[in-house]
Amino acid sequence: NAGVTQTPKFQVLKTGQSMTLQCAQDMNHNSMYWYRQDPGMGLRLIYYSASEGTTDKGEVPNGYNVSRLNKREFSLRLESAAPSQTSVYFCASNSAQGRPDTQYFGPGTRLTVL
Amino acid sequence: TQLLEQSPQFLSIQEGENLTVYCNSSSVFSSLQWYRQEPGEGPVLLVTVVTGGEVKKLKRLTFQFGDARKDSSLHITAAQTGDTGLYLCAGADNAGNMLTFGGGTRLMVKP
Repeated sequence: NAGVTQTPKFQVLKTGQSMTLQCAQDMNHNSMYWYRQDPGMGLRLIYYSASEGTTDKGEVPNGYNVSRLNKREFSLRLESAAPSQTSVYFCASNSAQGRPDTQYFGPGTRLTVL
Repeated sequence: TQLLEQSPQFLSIQEGENLTVYCNSSSVFSSLQWYRQEPGEGPVLLVTVVTGGEVKKLKRLTFQFGDARKDSSLHITAAQTGDTGLYLCAGADNAGNMLTFGGGTRLMVKP
Protein backbone atom coordinates (compact mmCIF):
# COMPACT_ATOMS: atom_id res chain seq x y z
CA ASN A 1 0.00 0.00 0.00
CA ALA A 2 1.96 3.01 -1.31
CA GLY A 3 -0.57 5.70 -0.30
CA VAL A 4 -0.20 8.79 -2.48
CA THR A 5 2.57 8.79 -5.07
CA GLN A 6 3.78 11.69 -7.19
CA THR A 7 6.03 11.91 -10.24
CA PRO A 8 8.44 13.41 -10.94
CA LYS A 9 10.17 14.28 -7.64
CA PHE A 10 12.15 17.12 -9.21
CA GLN A 11 11.77 19.11 -12.42
CA VAL A 12 13.47 22.12 -13.99
CA LEU A 13 11.65 23.91 -16.80
CA LYS A 14 12.35 26.92 -18.95
CA THR A 15 9.77 29.69 -19.15
CA GLY A 16 7.07 28.75 -21.64
CA GLN A 17 7.59 25.00 -21.46
CA SER A 18 4.75 22.70 -20.50
CA MET A 19 4.61 19.69 -18.24
CA THR A 20 2.22 17.42 -16.38
CA LEU A 21 2.59 16.41 -12.75
CA GLN A 22 1.21 12.97 -12.02
CA CYS A 23 -0.51 11.79 -8.86
CA ALA A 24 -1.98 8.44 -7.94
CA GLN A 25 -3.52 7.00 -4.77
CA ASP A 26 -4.24 3.39 -3.92
CA MET A 27 -6.55 3.97 -0.94
CA ASN A 28 -9.78 4.04 -2.97
CA HIS A 29 -10.32 7.66 -1.93
CA ASN A 30 -13.02 9.76 -3.55
CA SER A 31 -11.47 13.22 -3.24
CA MET A 32 -8.11 14.42 -4.51
CA TYR A 33 -6.34 17.78 -4.28
CA TRP A 34 -3.42 19.73 -5.70
CA TYR A 35 -1.59 22.28 -3.53
CA ARG A 36 1.46 24.44 -3.94
CA GLN A 37 3.73 25.35 -1.05
CA ASP A 38 5.85 28.47 -1.03
CA PRO A 39 8.08 29.62 1.85
CA GLY A 40 6.10 31.21 4.67
CA MET A 41 2.76 30.69 2.94
CA GLY A 42 1.70 27.23 4.03
CA LEU A 43 -0.17 25.30 1.35
CA ARG A 44 -2.53 26.88 -1.12
CA LEU A 45 -5.16 24.87 -2.96
CA ILE A 46 -4.87 24.95 -6.76
CA TYR A 47 -7.62 22.54 -7.83
CA TYR A 48 -9.55 19.70 -6.28
CA SER A 49 -11.73 16.82 -7.38
CA ALA A 50 -14.47 15.86 -4.95
CA SER A 51 -15.22 12.68 -6.88
CA GLU A 52 -14.33 10.94 -10.11
CA GLY A 53 -15.48 13.03 -13.05
CA THR A 54 -15.60 16.38 -11.23
CA THR A 55 -13.00 19.11 -10.76
CA ASP A 56 -13.21 22.54 -9.14
CA LYS A 57 -10.96 25.56 -8.77
CA GLY A 58 -9.24 26.29 -5.51
CA GLU A 59 -7.57 29.45 -4.27
CA VAL A 60 -4.87 29.80 -6.97
CA PRO A 61 -5.98 28.05 -10.21
CA ASN A 62 -4.60 30.49 -12.79
CA GLY A 63 -1.98 28.94 -15.07
CA TYR A 64 -2.98 25.36 -14.25
CA ASN A 65 -5.33 22.70 -15.56
CA VAL A 66 -6.25 19.35 -14.04
CA SER A 67 -7.63 16.00 -15.14
CA ARG A 68 -9.23 13.38 -12.93
CA LEU A 69 -8.33 10.48 -15.17
CA ASN A 70 -10.03 7.86 -13.02
CA LYS A 71 -10.63 7.31 -9.32
CA ARG A 72 -6.90 6.68 -8.69
CA GLU A 73 -5.24 9.41 -10.75
CA PHE A 74 -5.35 13.21 -10.70
CA SER A 75 -2.90 15.13 -12.88
CA LEU A 76 -1.88 18.79 -12.86
CA ARG A 77 -0.76 20.48 -16.09
CA LEU A 78 1.22 23.65 -16.60
CA GLU A 79 0.62 24.73 -20.22
CA SER A 80 3.18 27.56 -20.29
CA ALA A 81 5.37 27.60 -17.21
CA ALA A 82 6.32 30.91 -15.58
CA PRO A 83 8.96 31.65 -12.90
CA SER A 84 6.12 32.47 -10.48
CA GLN A 85 5.16 28.79 -10.65
CA THR A 86 8.43 27.75 -9.03
CA SER A 87 7.21 25.91 -5.96
CA VAL A 88 6.75 22.55 -4.27
CA TYR A 89 3.58 20.83 -5.45
CA PHE A 90 1.71 18.38 -3.25
CA CYS A 91 -1.08 16.03 -4.18
CA ALA A 92 -3.44 14.80 -1.47
CA SER A 93 -6.45 12.55 -1.16
CA ASN A 94 -9.13 11.79 1.39
CA SER A 95 -11.87 9.27 1.76
CA ALA A 96 -14.96 11.36 2.48
CA GLN A 97 -16.61 12.59 -0.66
CA GLY A 98 -16.58 16.38 -0.74
CA ARG A 99 -15.07 16.71 2.75
CA PRO A 100 -11.43 17.61 3.36
CA ASP A 101 -10.84 15.88 6.71
CA THR A 102 -7.87 13.59 7.12
CA GLN A 103 -6.00 14.33 3.95
CA TYR A 104 -3.09 12.09 3.01
CA PHE A 105 -0.26 13.81 1.18
CA GLY A 106 2.24 12.63 -1.38
CA PRO A 107 5.98 13.40 -1.07
CA GLY A 108 5.82 16.44 -3.37
CA THR A 109 7.29 17.59 -6.69
CA ARG A 110 9.90 20.31 -6.55
CA LEU A 111 9.54 22.47 -9.65
CA THR A 112 11.91 25.23 -10.74
CA VAL A 113 11.02 27.46 -13.68
CA LEU A 114 13.94 29.41 -15.09
CA THR B 1 -11.11 33.73 1.33
CA GLN B 2 -10.67 32.58 4.91
CA LEU B 3 -7.31 33.36 6.43
CA LEU B 4 -5.44 31.51 9.15
CA GLU B 5 -2.53 33.17 10.87
CA GLN B 6 0.00 31.15 12.81
CA SER B 7 2.37 32.45 15.42
CA PRO B 8 5.20 32.40 15.96
CA GLN B 9 6.58 31.79 12.46
CA PHE B 10 9.86 30.46 13.88
CA LEU B 11 10.68 28.97 17.26
CA SER B 12 14.02 27.70 18.48
CA ILE B 13 14.11 26.12 21.93
CA GLN B 14 16.18 23.77 24.05
CA GLU B 15 15.19 20.18 24.61
CA GLY B 16 12.94 19.88 27.67
CA GLU B 17 11.26 23.26 27.30
CA ASN B 18 7.55 23.76 26.78
CA LEU B 19 6.05 25.72 23.89
CA THR B 20 2.73 26.84 22.46
CA VAL B 21 1.88 27.55 18.84
CA TYR B 22 -1.20 29.58 17.94
CA CYS B 23 -3.53 29.51 14.95
CA ASN B 24 -5.99 32.40 14.65
CA SER B 25 -8.69 33.51 12.25
CA SER B 26 -11.63 35.87 12.06
CA SER B 27 -13.60 33.10 10.32
CA VAL B 28 -15.44 30.15 11.80
CA PHE B 29 -14.31 26.70 10.71
CA SER B 30 -16.30 23.47 10.81
CA SER B 31 -13.16 21.67 11.95
CA LEU B 32 -9.49 22.39 12.38
CA GLN B 33 -6.52 20.14 11.79
CA TRP B 34 -2.89 20.19 12.78
CA TYR B 35 -0.23 18.71 10.52
CA ARG B 36 3.50 18.17 10.96
CA GLN B 37 5.84 18.30 7.98
CA GLU B 38 9.46 17.19 7.81
CA PRO B 39 11.90 18.42 5.14
CA GLY B 40 11.37 16.75 1.78
CA GLU B 41 8.07 15.17 2.77
CA GLY B 42 4.38 15.94 2.67
CA PRO B 43 2.43 17.03 5.75
CA VAL B 44 1.15 14.30 8.06
CA LEU B 45 -2.04 14.74 10.04
CA LEU B 46 -1.62 14.93 13.83
CA VAL B 47 -5.17 15.66 14.97
CA THR B 48 -8.58 16.98 13.95
CA VAL B 49 -10.69 19.03 16.37
CA VAL B 50 -14.35 19.55 15.60
CA THR B 51 -16.23 20.87 18.65
CA GLY B 52 -15.73 24.36 20.09
CA GLY B 53 -13.73 24.11 23.31
CA GLU B 54 -12.49 20.62 22.47
CA VAL B 55 -9.15 19.52 23.90
CA LYS B 56 -7.25 16.54 22.50
CA LYS B 57 -4.02 15.05 23.79
CA LEU B 58 -1.50 13.08 21.80
CA LYS B 59 1.28 12.02 24.20
CA ARG B 60 3.14 15.30 24.95
CA LEU B 61 1.05 17.34 22.50
CA THR B 62 -2.16 19.07 23.59
CA PHE B 63 -4.49 20.60 21.01
CA GLN B 64 -7.31 22.99 21.81
CA PHE B 65 -10.08 24.36 19.59
CA GLY B 66 -11.45 27.75 20.60
CA ASP B 67 -15.02 28.01 21.89
CA ALA B 68 -16.05 30.02 18.81
CA ARG B 69 -14.20 27.64 16.45
CA LYS B 70 -12.05 30.49 15.10
CA ASP B 71 -8.74 29.63 16.71
CA SER B 72 -6.65 26.78 17.99
CA SER B 73 -3.45 26.13 19.91
CA LEU B 74 -0.87 23.39 20.04
CA HIS B 75 1.10 22.97 23.27
CA ILE B 76 4.13 20.70 23.47
CA THR B 77 5.41 19.66 26.89
CA ALA B 78 9.08 18.81 27.39
CA ALA B 79 10.03 19.17 23.74
CA GLN B 80 12.36 16.62 22.20
CA THR B 81 14.69 16.94 19.20
CA GLY B 82 12.32 14.65 17.30
CA ASP B 83 9.63 17.34 17.52
CA THR B 84 11.62 19.51 15.11
CA GLY B 85 9.61 20.30 11.99
CA LEU B 86 7.05 22.55 10.36
CA TYR B 87 3.67 22.64 12.12
CA LEU B 88 0.68 23.62 10.02
CA CYS B 89 -2.88 24.31 11.05
CA ALA B 90 -5.70 23.96 8.52
CA GLY B 91 -9.34 24.91 8.81
CA ALA B 92 -12.22 23.33 6.90
CA ASP B 93 -14.90 25.68 5.56
CA ASN B 94 -18.56 25.15 6.39
CA ALA B 95 -19.20 23.53 3.02
CA GLY B 96 -16.51 21.01 3.90
CA ASN B 97 -14.91 21.19 0.47
CA MET B 98 -11.68 23.04 1.07
CA LEU B 99 -8.92 23.34 3.66
CA THR B 100 -7.29 26.69 4.34
CA PHE B 101 -3.76 26.35 5.66
CA GLY B 102 -1.90 28.70 7.94
CA GLY B 103 1.61 29.82 7.04
CA GLY B 104 3.21 27.35 9.43
CA THR B 105 5.45 27.45 12.49
CA ARG B 106 8.94 26.17 11.99
CA LEU B 107 10.12 24.58 15.24
CA MET B 108 13.71 23.67 16.02
CA VAL B 109 14.46 21.79 19.23
CA LYS B 110 18.13 21.84 20.12
CA PRO B 111 19.80 19.14 22.24
